[in-house]
Amino acid sequence: DAKTTQPPSMDCAEGRAANLPCNHSTISGNEYVYWYRQIHSQGPQYIIHGLKNNETNEMASLIITEDRKSSTLILPHATLRDTAVYYCIVSPYSSASKIIFGSGTRLSIRP
Amino acid sequence: NAGVTQTPKFQVLKTGQSMTLQCAQDMNHNSMYWYRQDPGMGLRLIYYSASEGTTDKGEVPNGYNVSRLNKREFSLRLESAAPSQTSVYFCASSDRGGMNTEAFFGQGTRLTVV
Repeated sequence: DAKTTQPPSMDCAEGRAANLPCNHSTISGNEYVYWYRQIHSQGPQYIIHGLKNNETNEMASLIITEDRKSSTLILPHATLRDTAVYYCIVSPYSSASKIIFGSGTRLSIRP
Repeated sequence: NAGVTQTPKFQVLKTGQSMTLQCAQDMNHNSMYWYRQDPGMGLRLIYYSASEGTTDKGEVPNGYNVSRLNKREFSLRLESAAPSQTSVYFCASSDRGGMNTEAFFGQGTRLTVV
């Protein structure tokens, strides 16, 4: 499985856009980019995923570079409830594949 | 629709005791996973099951056994608990390869081994 690299921590002002980067330089052609977050000690929560096109849903936007070696998760208007650890994962679209978490980015939203 | 249910939520064991952590999902998912999370750390995969009747080792399988009892249930067993197994255990399920690839997680089992 491809590995990902994320900054250990970031902060963002409430109401501003939070941009969380992820490097996945060894990603394979059949691997998707997934983002999850974990609020406090709860179970992780799915946010968004993509293959090569940019994606947007009600929670966030995902921007994947053309060479697919990096991506950015964008929370357009961060709130205090977005304080969490954010995990970027690359994994094949297959029932036989593992889901391996890295160390993630701890995002703090300041009032 | 309960999603992923883990039992128990909390457990204290003495060193050498055994126990089974239970996990059940009601979403008809094929794949199920067990993770552990130590304080201040990310999740590490213990075992996973791509489909009913199959199980595979993850990153940290030593000291654990699993059983995919049926499509709904995936249990994790500690045969002889050690203090190093003190952790929060998360179960997850997904329908990878199907329409919905996201994984759903339970609320965790907080295990302390003394």
